[in-house]
Amino acid sequence: QVQLQESGPGLVKPSETLSLTCSVSGDSISRGFFYWSWIRQSPGKALEFIGYIYNSGTPYYSPSLKSRVSISIDTSKMQFSLKLKSVTAADTAVYYCARTTTRNYVDFWGQGTLVTVSS
Amino acid sequence: QSGLTQPPSVSGAPGQRVTISCTGSSSDIGAGYDVHWYQQLPGAAPQLLIYGNNNRPSGVPDRFSGSQSGTSASLAITGLQAEDEADYYCQSYDTSLYVVFGGGTKLTVL
Repeated sequence: QVQLQESGPGLVKPSETLSLTCSVSGDSISRGFFYWSWIRQSPGKALEFIGYIYNSGTPYYSPSLKSRVSISIDTSKMQFSLKLKSVTAADTAVYYCARTTTRNYVDFWGQGTLVTVSS
Repeated sequence: QSGLTQPPSVSGAPGQRVTISCTGSSSDIGAGYDVHWYQQLPGAAPQLLIYGNNNRPSGVPDRFSGSQSGTSASLAITGLQAEDEADYYCQSYDTSLYVVFGGGTKLTVL
């Protein structure tokens, strides 16, 4: 059973960079056939795709966030990471890391971590 | 930037059948990309409910079924139960946006 766990600060100041890490267990992150994803959900709102990365290190970003987002992967640590720069209150959300199949559905989700942007 | 369109809410009495629609466009569902559905219980992470338009992961009751036609898809729930009260999201792929989600539908069991 694949397990994903998000970690990182729960509070980030406006204009700073949000940084989260997802630790994966129960499967090799370097195995092919999966993308490793970040998805967020603002309070009371719908799910929003941020981006994903293949084990080769090639990232794919949502066009709406592309100018501010960076996703990286460290297969030796079984981790992948998210950086979102120049955050505002609109970036306050629960951030989920997830495993996405090559058929583009998410089969495993992390529990999510709430990140609040506030001074 | 566009996404998939779902009704904000649906409701039904226990035992009834409800459907949730998901409307896309020629760049996502209409382009032949699969539709997937997720159930999100209050305070929890979403869980995969239907993948590849009409396939259920192991453990999902056969009361849940999906269909797709043209630029739209539907999730049907039969024999509605109180535990089905949740938010439901459809999701597909778009060549420009990659993963696209619907706005979510809140199911209320009366």
